[in-house]
Amino acid sequence: EVQLLESGGGLRQPGGSLRLSCAASGFIFSSYAMSWVRQAPGKGLEWVSCIGTSSGSTNYADSVKGRFTISRDNSKNTLYLQVNSLRAEDTAVYYCAKESHYGDYDDWGQGTLVIVSS
Amino acid sequence: QLVLTQSPSASASLGASVKLTCTLSSGHTTYAIAWHQQQPEKGPRYLMKLNSDGSHNKGDGIPDRFSGSSSGAERYLTISSLQSEDEADYYCQTWGTGIRVFGGGTKLTVL
Repeated sequence: EVQLLESGGGLRQPGGSLRLSCAASGFIFSSYAMSWVRQAPGKGLEWVSCIGTSSGSTNYADSVKGRFTISRDNSKNTLYLQVNSLRAEDTAVYYCAKESHYGDYDDWGQGTLVIVSS
Repeated sequence: QLVLTQSPSASASLGASVKLTCTLSSGHTTYAIAWHQQQPEKGPRYLMKLNSDGSHNKGDGIPDRFSGSSSGAERYLTISSLQSEDEADYYCQTWGTGIRVFGGGTKLTVL
């Protein structure tokens, strides 16, 4: 059974930083691209970033480009998102999602909440 | 620009059927999409991948009541024999080189 377990969320002031983690199990982690998706309170799902099977291919939404960095450690079956220069509008539940070999998200984590407030 | 458009809300009666629509932007009408369900206060759940020819592959444990179909730029999710637990937000999702896109979501109310 695929399991994706996010951690690392919390309360930060504007301008602060966090590192989110997603521990994966139940599948061959190194064989699948992964993504981070967020959901602001009362809003819809927003794609944040994706990473290929190795760390050589990364992409970001314009709203986070230059502030967020996605990475993965295939030896630890873990996906990361380093979030810097936090803004109030980054407040959201952050989900990690496993991509199928086609690009659809076929498994989701339960999410970790990031609150940016002074 | 790759965009997915969904109606914000839909409603149908318990036991009835409902058809939700996701529309692909011009120039992207052959793209496959995925449907996801998000029940209140829960994380998203993968329902299916839906191709432009209407063929679809459902996720593990997704009931037969959920089906997909396609016509041109439109991608549909049909839920039959509606149950109370089907009241949820439904999102379509697609992908391209270096980009992933979600529709704005449809809030389904079961009357």
